[in-house]
Amino acid sequence: GAVVSQHPSRVICKSGTSVKIECRSLDFQATTMFWYRQFPKQSLMLMATSNEGSKATYEQGVEKDKFLINHASLTLSTLTVTSAHPEDSSFYICSAPGTFGNTIYFGEGSWLTVV
Amino acid sequence: QKEVEQNSGPLSVPEGAIASLNCTYSDRGSQSFFWYRQYSGKSPELIMSIYSNGDKEDGRFTAQLNKASQYVSLLIRDSQPSDSATYLCAVVTGSARQLTFGSGTQLTVLP
Repeated sequence: GAVVSQHPSRVICKSGTSVKIECRSLDFQATTMFWYRQFPKQSLMLMATSNEGSKATYEQGVEKDKFLINHASLTLSTLTVTSAHPEDSSFYICSAPGTFGNTIYFGEGSWLTVV
Repeated sequence: QKEVEQNSGPLSVPEGAIASLNCTYSDRGSQSFFWYRQYSGKSPELIMSIYSNGDKEDGRFTAQLNKASQYVSLLIRDSQPSDSATYLCAVVTGSARQLTFGSGTQLTVLP
């Protein structure tokens, strides 16, 4: 079946550096992908909607200059956390709507730790 | 403001019992509803989807939807310790099919 693959699954970076997380749709095309963030013991919060070939749509309160989203192809969206700080440490999850019906596929998630 | 609310939990039930999880949503125009199970440190996995009023059964799971009351629930029959997880209610809230999640209910099934 359709799969969304997310990489890396875990990453540790130093404060002030940038880190990129990739989200790929493996056997279907995704013109739209979604990026969520989940802090410990909290629910998933939508950060932004990634649109192939156009600018991402960010949710209120999410800094677009800090969380750069690029959706350059129909199968790949990337989230770059720039100038990371310890408070950015979180579980980041991408998802993509399937081609048919109301199916929504989730990536495996990426644990980011900023030290 | 589009919101999805779940009973706060945590919820503990003995093995073999019925676990009942509840969710309300604020957007009366919502049409698609999902229950996800999330184990600690993992991505959510889909348990049930429901789009029409009434009950939908899949094995030990039954989802119930009442659009007039803006209420959706999940029943887990014959609960097993392996069902212990956080259950997330989610509602499609946009034309792009983005999901809004509830805060989640942590379920523990005691052996």
